[in-house]
Amino acid sequence: QKEVEQDPGPLSVPEGAIVSLNCTYSNSAFQYFMWYRQYSRKGPELLMYTYSSGNKEDGRFTAQVDKSSKYISLFIRDSQPSDSATYLCAMSGGGADGLTFGKGTHLIIQP
Amino acid sequence: KAGVTQTPRYLIKTRGQQVTLSCSPISGHRSVSWYQQTPGQGLQFLFEYFSETQRNKGNFPGRFSGRQFSNSRSEMNVSTLELGDSALYLCASSLAPSGVIYNEQFFGPGTRLTVL
Repeated sequence: QKEVEQDPGPLSVPEGAIVSLNCTYSNSAFQYFMWYRQYSRKGPELLMYTYSSGNKEDGRFTAQVDKSSKYISLFIRDSQPSDSATYLCAMSGGGADGLTFGKGTHLIIQP
Repeated sequence: KAGVTQTPRYLIKTRGQQVTLSCSPISGHRSVSWYQQTPGQGLQFLFEYFSETQRNKGNFPGRFSGRQFSNSRSEMNVSTLELGDSALYLCASSLAPSGVIYNEQFFGPGTRLTVL
């Protein structure tokens, strides 16, 4: 079992829908949780960062962390075709061990 | 402010050869991390450099190595290339090393390596 599990998709939704992306993890030492967006032929860019459990909102994006269930989510409201990309969750224990990534979910927003 | 740059963007090599990839971090950033991205394994941490010292290394064979120069630019080298080394190699820079406090990693566009 990989440390971080993420459904690769593709996930296809109509424009304007609410999108829910999720990751589960097994390492209880993880305490920093991130969501990255990666467009084709580009490097990942940070969307959201959360420390420990709780919710964080930034515009149309909301990140949720439930450490008791080892489950994190990213919600996208009013989805746009420009949101079509691969979304990667990433985690860290805060030590010098680099980030552990999920494999990414390929999201398609249909106009 | 210029972002992270990686050269070359695309590379084709044959099995058994070696390759060197280059990464220039954002100005002022002293930490550089390298990742390998493949469809099968996703993004995997290779190693991190800070102040010319390797701080940590992921679970990769010794054929993968790197270094960092005094201007924070970094190179990674893969010797005796195998078909399975075909991947997108991503470099990320940050102000401080991991483990100090959380600090955002900024990724470059990557180098696409194809091994034939």
